Amino acid sequence: AQSVTQPDIHITVSEGASLELRCNYSYGATPYLFWYVQSPGQGLQLLLKYFSGDTLVQGIKGFEAEFKRSQSSFNLRKPSVHWSDAAEYFCAAHAGGTSYGKLTFGQGTILTVHP
Amino acid sequence: NAGVMQNPRHLVRRRGQEARLRCSPMKGHSHVYWYRQLPEEGLKFMVYLQKENIIDESGMPKERFSAEFPKEGPSILRIQQVVRGDSAAYFCASSPPDLANEQFFGPGTRLTVL
Repeated sequence: AQSVTQPDIHITVSEGASLELRCNYSYGATPYLFWYVQSPGQGLQLLLKYFSGDTLVQGIKGFEAEFKRSQSSFNLRKPSVHWSDAAEYFCAAHAGGTSYGKLTFGQGTILTVHP
Repeated sequence: NAGVMQNPRHLVRRRGQEARLRCSPMKGHSHVYWYRQLPEEGLKFMVYLQKENIIDESGMPKERFSAEFPKEGPSILRIQQVVRGDSAAYFCASSPPDLANEQFFGPGTRLTVL
């Protein structure tokens, strides 16, 4: 079955430190990949997406993600975290075509930022 | 261009009542998706609709849940005879007809069943 896995439920970093959130997918072919961020009580905001091409994708708010086919991964990174980045992050994917864009989400990673 | 609108933002119902959740997609978007986020869980797909058509309802519970997206007006997710287990955040997302890959999410409706 198609699935998206975020191994880390909760990550804590200090402000200014670098960040990497892990995401692995299990699909028959390379899916379309997304990272969303959700602040408490809010909807989801798209950070970045990967459809094809360059495997390093730049997004909003200084985030980037790297697609690695050999590892079935799409990890999210940020070189220097700000306190306002504290939120929950979701990796998502869909197979395109007849999946009609139906997204499968990972379980989410809660990011806490210490001053 | 206004984003995806959902109302109400918060809804409280007693067991056995009906809940109606509304979603107005972004202007120019004709694809609507509904997702449910149960406490401590990620989002799960429920249903995908285009104007006047249900395309994929594979994530909808078999009973009590229905969805529509009429020619005019918002998309509606209806839950009949709600139970406590229906308490969750329900998110709507929309996408344009020529780019069904990227979805824009609304703020969600948080349903509490007493």
